[in-house]
Amino acid sequence: GAVVSQHPSRVICKSGTSVKIECRSLDFQATTMFWYRQFPKKSLMLMATSNEGSKATYEQGVEKDKFLINHASLTLSTLTVTSAHPEDSSFYICSAGLGVGGNQPQHFGDGTRLSIL
Amino acid sequence: AQKVTQAQTEISVVEKEDVTLDCVYETRDTTYYLFWYKQPPSGELVFLIRRNSFDEQNEISGRYSWNFQKSTSSFNFTITASQVVDSAVYFCALSEEYGNKLVFGAGTILRVKS
Repeated sequence: GAVVSQHPSRVICKSGTSVKIECRSLDFQATTMFWYRQFPKKSLMLMATSNEGSKATYEQGVEKDKFLINHASLTLSTLTVTSAHPEDSSFYICSAGLGVGGNQPQHFGDGTRLSIL
Repeated sequence: AQKVTQAQTEISVVEKEDVTLDCVYETRDTTYYLFWYKQPPSGELVFLIRRNSFDEQNEISGRYSWNFQKSTSSFNFTITASQVVDSAVYFCALSEEYGNKLVFGAGTILRVKS
């Protein structure tokens, strides 16, 4: 079945560091990928839609200069948390669908747990 | 706007009990898709089921069953004869017809005690 790989699984770094998270579709091409954020004991909130070859679409309230998204190929999207601060600590998870349309099941990566000291 | 409500924040049951997780949704779309995901302590999301708005047939998969009631905008999930391994957070989610982005409910923490 379709697999989405997310790397790294865990990051611990100092405040002010920029952190890049990769999301790869391993056995299918994904023109669209999604980035979600989950605070402890909370639900998943969509941050942005990553579109291959074009700019990402950010949800309201998400700082696009803070969370840089690049989708340079059909199998890779990256999320860079720039100048991370403790309030950016969270669980970030990406997903990709096999095609366009709400009926396509999203396949999720295993998530990245980001801790900023 | 789309919205998913999981009113049960946390449920505790004893092993072998049946448990139902509630999900109520709101959407203006006539075509939409409903999902259930399981999130164990390790964090990954495990896909359980997808239902489209035109298919109101209930579904059973082993100990899992789902009851989709369009009239009440509900998509409830029942685990029969619960097991300790069922302990996890369960999310109900909604997707519009065009696009794959999901709107998640707040999640229900299920604790199954032996």
